[in-house]
Amino acid sequence: EADIYQTPRYLVIGTGKKITLECSQTMGHDKMYWYQQDPGMELHLIHYSYGVNSTEKGDLSSESTVSRIRTEHFPLTLESARPSHTSQYLCASSEPATTNQETQYFGPGTRLLVL
Amino acid sequence: KNQVEQSPQSLIILEGKNCTLQCNYTVSPFSNLRWYKQDTGRGPVSLTIMTFSENTKSNGRYTATLDADTKQSSLHITASQLSDSASYICVVSDRGSTLGRLYFGRGTQLTVWP
Repeated sequence: EADIYQTPRYLVIGTGKKITLECSQTMGHDKMYWYQQDPGMELHLIHYSYGVNSTEKGDLSSESTVSRIRTEHFPLTLESARPSHTSQYLCASSEPATTNQETQYFGPGTRLLVL
Repeated sequence: KNQVEQSPQSLIILEGKNCTLQCNYTVSPFSNLRWYKQDTGRGPVSLTIMTFSENTKSNGRYTATLDADTKQSSLHITASQLSDSASYICVVSDRGSTLGRLYFGRGTQLTVWP
């Protein structure tokens, strides 16, 4: 069982609100990721981080931002939520592997509904 | 274009039966292929990982195969249980370093009925 946590698990908010999705891991992993997943669709990488003070945009154009002030914490913020942001958001972390078998450990996800 | 295609999209089987899920990919260069299990409302959990030189890997009742020449993989589930009901996702990595990129399939939704 991976020690990676996400809060809230479910969130319903109105359009225009600012929200922050929390992600924490206690494994000391340097790399962390945010994915977006719609029902029946593949995961899309929206942000990732190699370590403290490192943040990079992923493949999916996103209106969200992330920060990495501490190794264990990687919050994702939506400044102004829109109905198009309705989705499941998955956080993951991994440690650099000595072989080509780096494993990503996923959190339980946050299901976001924007009305 | 690097892609990962899974089939079938969904599958219903009776408890105790076996099943096989398919994954075809066009990712190049290839580093490794993973199968993940994602329970409803949860994050994916890694089941198996195979590199180029491996053609089979087992994890309990789950057995994955890889044919790197034809770029195909399968996940065989033996003696299915109700708890096997989940989405099974095939993920291919194009590089082994920390710069590696992951390509996700859309998953096969498996339902096991009693």
